Amino acid sequence: NAGVTQTPKFRILKIGQSMTLQCTQDMNHNYMYWYRQDPGMGLKLIYYSVGAGITDKGEVPNGYNVSRSTTEDFPLRLELAAPSQTSVYFCASKVAGGYYEQYFGPGTRLTVT
Amino acid sequence: GQQVMQIPQYQHVQEGEDFTTYCNSSTTLSNIQWYKQRPGGHPVFLIQLVKSGEVKKQKRLTFQFGEAKKNSSLHITATQTTDVGTYFCAGRDSNYQLIWGAGTKLIIKP
Repeated sequence: NAGVTQTPKFRILKIGQSMTLQCTQDMNHNYMYWYRQDPGMGLKLIYYSVGAGITDKGEVPNGYNVSRSTTEDFPLRLELAAPSQTSVYFCASKVAGGYYEQYFGPGTRLTVT
Repeated sequence: GQQVMQIPQYQHVQEGEDFTTYCNSSTTLSNIQWYKQRPGGHPVFLIQLVKSGEVKKQKRLTFQFGEAKKNSSLHITATQTTDVGTYFCAGRDSNYQLIWGAGTKLIIKP
């Protein structure tokens, strides 16, 4: 099992550009999450999904969009990138239910200049 | 909104000294999880506590869940360089949402 994979590992965007961060998991997990982590800070939830076709906003959804057409994939779309979106983005997945841990991908380091 | 407060933000220790981080919630948690993030890495699950007053050990790491299920702690005995990183707690509230603490960064003094 590859677990949770994310692409790209690094990306530099110019202000106003758009991009999609890819996340794929091969563990058949229903729940998937997108977090951002600013330098030296904790994790902030952007969006999450409890299954294919179902998504919901987290704490900081503005400027982002998601879709979940399959169990495996949960892409995060950044529209009109801004310097405030410079961060490390982590995707995570877990088994449905309250007593299971989250498995994180290696992250995407995004710089917007 | 509901928060899980984690302190301290940083802790500098000499190798061999002990380290402790604390998490406090204003409301009762159904369970709490602990994760470790190495520098430049991603969070990795360490352990979960579910029962009131629960204590679990992993080698030099001791995890506690308070009697009221509102606070938790992680204690590392005799720190080693491999312990360096940021430790996060994450508590599940009554709405089944996972609320993350801000993390405590463990720094070993040279």
